[in-house]
Amino acid sequence: DADVTQTPRNRITKTGKRIMLECSQTKGHDRMYWYRQDPGLGLRLIYYSFDVKDINKGEISDGYSVSRQAQAKFSLSLESAIPNQTALYFCATSGSWEWDTDTQYFGPGTRLTVL
Amino acid sequence: AQSVTQLDSQVPVFEEAPVELRCNYSSSVSVYLFWYVQYPNQGLQLLLKYLSGSTLVKGINGFEAEFNKSQTSFHLRKPSVHISDTAEYFCAVNILDTGRRALTFGSGTRLQVQP
Repeated sequence: DADVTQTPRNRITKTGKRIMLECSQTKGHDRMYWYRQDPGLGLRLIYYSFDVKDINKGEISDGYSVSRQAQAKFSLSLESAIPNQTALYFCATSGSWEWDTDTQYFGPGTRLTVL
Repeated sequence: AQSVTQLDSQVPVFEEAPVELRCNYSSSVSVYLFWYVQYPNQGLQLLLKYLSGSTLVKGINGFEAEFNKSQTSFHLRKPSVHISDTAEYFCAVNILDTGRRALTFGSGTRLQVQP
């Protein structure tokens, strides 16, 4: 079984709809991250969380919100989806014992299309 | 602000030829450097990382990278590529004097290995 799972893997929605992307991990890591990937732009950080009570904005947090329901779960929400949020979304985790290395482990991604 | 530049968006190469994928970063303080690989329709997988010590770092699948502090570079190399190396490669950096502890990624280089 994969250590970092994301659901759904693919989603098509309409402008204005609320969407939630979910991430779960079995690695026992404290730290979780959400990125979006756009062609030619690499990965950009949306939000990150260093523990259940710690949530931080990344480079491009506008239009997104997150919830850290438990150590193993980190959800990303689009309150009112718009077409330029069409992208590939990745969840990642890292462990506090690797605090000085920041090695991150990625899920398989969620492809979101907003029409 | 920290940044990472991958100078080539695409690199075509013939099978068994050597390859170098270039990465430069901007920082005046210590950094950790990473290369990740993304195979088609998959998440990102760590290839190698530089934290400290020897400037030549060896990773998985025969890849290596050399940290050059004076040139602020971390180029990825492989002496002989295989068809299976066809993927997108991302350089990433974490600058150690910030509290963010999250990676900044380059825009990616697509390696296309031709028979």
